[in-house]
Amino acid sequence: DVKVTQSSRYLVKRTGEKVFLECVQDMDHENMFWYRQDPGLGLRLIYFSYDVKMKEKGDIPEGYSVSREKKERFSLILESASTNQTSMYLCASRGQYPSTYEQYFGPGTRLTVT
Amino acid sequence: RKEVEQDPGPFNVPEGATVAFNCTYSNSASQSFFWYRQDCRKEPKLLMSVYSSGNEDGRFTAQLNRASQYISLLIRDSKLSDSATYLCVVTSGGSYIPTFGRGTSLIVHP
Repeated sequence: DVKVTQSSRYLVKRTGEKVFLECVQDMDHENMFWYRQDPGLGLRLIYFSYDVKMKEKGDIPEGYSVSREKKERFSLILESASTNQTSMYLCASRGQYPSTYEQYFGPGTRLTVT
Repeated sequence: RKEVEQDPGPFNVPEGATVAFNCTYSNSASQSFFWYRQDCRKEPKLLMSVYSSGNEDGRFTAQLNRASQYISLLIRDSKLSDSATYLCVVTSGGSYIPTFGRGTSLIVHP
């Protein structure tokens, strides 16, 4: 079974702090994603990585950056956390070829910025 | 990327009922289509892919209508355990980037 893990289930940070959210997958997937999920807004794509050191902006990249130094790990960075970044953050991975376009999600990190 | 629209519901149905959800998408060049299920406070999980020819998995049937740009999900003989949010997902672009609908909430009651 594919396993996607996220470093924390719950996180509380202060406004202005630098925040790192880590995601690790164990299936050698090329593609990895970071989403945020808010009530009434659904899942929105923040960033997408299709290979090591490669990244593409999603729909809402402002205030976020990402890092993918190793294939299995995709990090989301909030350079200076703000209260409007309080949300559920979900990481996902996906294989490269059409037959494996299923996304596998981690359990999520609920981030609260105070 | 363009929009993916779903009726948020909730759809409130009795056990044993048949219920159908639709999802419309605006990008005519979309390539792949999926239904995901998300239980309360859990991550989304793939329910089924949607093919042009339609596909069925037990009580679940998915259809794709490319001409009208919508996909559908039919659930027969609803169970209490079917209560969840159903997310429509459409991919587009060279990297097959997924766009999620906001989800349709289903509540199955005794």
